Amino acid sequence: KAGVTQTPRYLIKTRGQQVTLSCSPISGHRSVSWYQQTPGQGLQFLFEYFSETQRNKGNFPGRFSGRQFSNSRSEMNVSTLELGDSALYLCASSLEGVNEQFFGPGTRLTVL
Amino acid sequence: AQKITQTQPGMFVQEKEAVTLDCTYDTSDQSYGLFWYKQPSSGEMIFLIYQGSYDEQNATEGRYSLNFQKARKSANLVISASQLGDSAMYFCAMREASFLSYTGANSKLTFGKGITLSVRP
Repeated sequence: KAGVTQTPRYLIKTRGQQVTLSCSPISGHRSVSWYQQTPGQGLQFLFEYFSETQRNKGNFPGRFSGRQFSNSRSEMNVSTLELGDSALYLCASSLEGVNEQFFGPGTRLTVL
Repeated sequence: AQKITQTQPGMFVQEKEAVTLDCTYDTSDQSYGLFWYKQPSSGEMIFLIYQGSYDEQNATEGRYSLNFQKARKSANLVISASQLGDSAMYFCAMREASFLSYTGANSKLTFGKGITLSVRP
């Protein structure tokens, strides 16, 4: 069974640009969560999608948005990039009623 | 608000010895779940073990066990017989019941800052 996949793995952007990251959950998983990991703030919850609906949202500005498609694949978008958005963005998927969240390898975003 | 505290900056252990990684938490919820994840240098988060707040037995998964002391609000990870491949960052995380959907699916893990474990040959 394939794990969670994230594309691209690495990304370099400049300030002011926007970026879209993609996450494909494990087959059958309908919940997808996104996390940002930085050396200073650690791991922080961005949002969670379930059956194409955003169910929970963390404390991030509106520049961070996401969506989920009918096949459970999810994308997150960051507009007007700032230097502080440089981070490892992790996606996790889970199955209803199961405690474990399975994480993907992450997308490392560098904003110059 | 929920909070996870991991104060050990870095830990060293000799191969084949046991090591305990500390985690304390704070929550006002009666129902919650505690997790430990391993993050190697590659970046991927690997699930290790889960403990529910109402579980009476300490969770065990192979060489991993969770020393759950509810009254002290601690959930320490014990790794027995350390291996070189155990060298990584270890994160303690919590999920509160208020973030469980009607389906019981997961959402919003709150993570600690992590602990670096280095296993010496």
